[in-house]
Amino acid sequence: DAGVIQSPRHEVTEMGQEVTLRCKPISGHNSLFWYRQTMMRGLELLIYFNNNVPIDDSGMPEDRFSAKMPNASFSTLKIQPSEPRDSAVYFCASSLWAGKLFFGSGTQLSVL
Amino acid sequence: GESVGLHLPTLSVQEGDNSIINCAYSNSASDYFIWYKQESGKGPQFIIDIRSNMDKRQGQRVTVLLNKTVKHLSLQIAATQPGDSAVYFCAEIQTGANNLFFGTGTRLTVIP
Repeated sequence: DAGVIQSPRHEVTEMGQEVTLRCKPISGHNSLFWYRQTMMRGLELLIYFNNNVPIDDSGMPEDRFSAKMPNASFSTLKIQPSEPRDSAVYFCASSLWAGKLFFGSGTQLSVL
Repeated sequence: GESVGLHLPTLSVQEGDNSIINCAYSNSASDYFIWYKQESGKGPQFIIDIRSNMDKRQGQRVTVLLNKTVKHLSLQIAATQPGDSAVYFCAEIQTGANNLFFGTGTRLTVIP
């Protein structure tokens, strides 16, 4: 198994631009999580899907952030418009249940 | 001085020595605990887990100890190697909950 696959690995954009991060979970996993990691706040859960349905999006910081999971093998996290304070590493993780998560390699986002 | 981010505890050990990384968890209802290892530029990687009905679990070169009385978790790494250098996170969850809570992490540096 290739594990959780995220793209792009690095994204540099200008303030105000739309950013779309992509994730392919491990086949067979029914839960998908988006996390953000910064030096200031550590690992923060943004949103959690179960069977493609968003269950808990209380961690999504603002309306500028949105996430979708159109099918069991693909999810996106979109930031529109992006701001410099959104700069962070964004991780996608998948699992069979909420405890044992398998993480992707992350997307390093820099908003200038 | 002004805090500019999370204070990440650090541990430096000589190659070949044993390492002990500690973690205090907050929720007395948590019944499942995981240790993750995060190397530079990568996502957190599952190392070992333990349920609350156990107080010790061993893996390959790693042992996790759980003390529910004082809500303390530790990770022991035997014969530490340079490849063990990373940030180690403990995480806790209560069965049935959606959110795995991560600690702030400990940076382990192995000195050759």
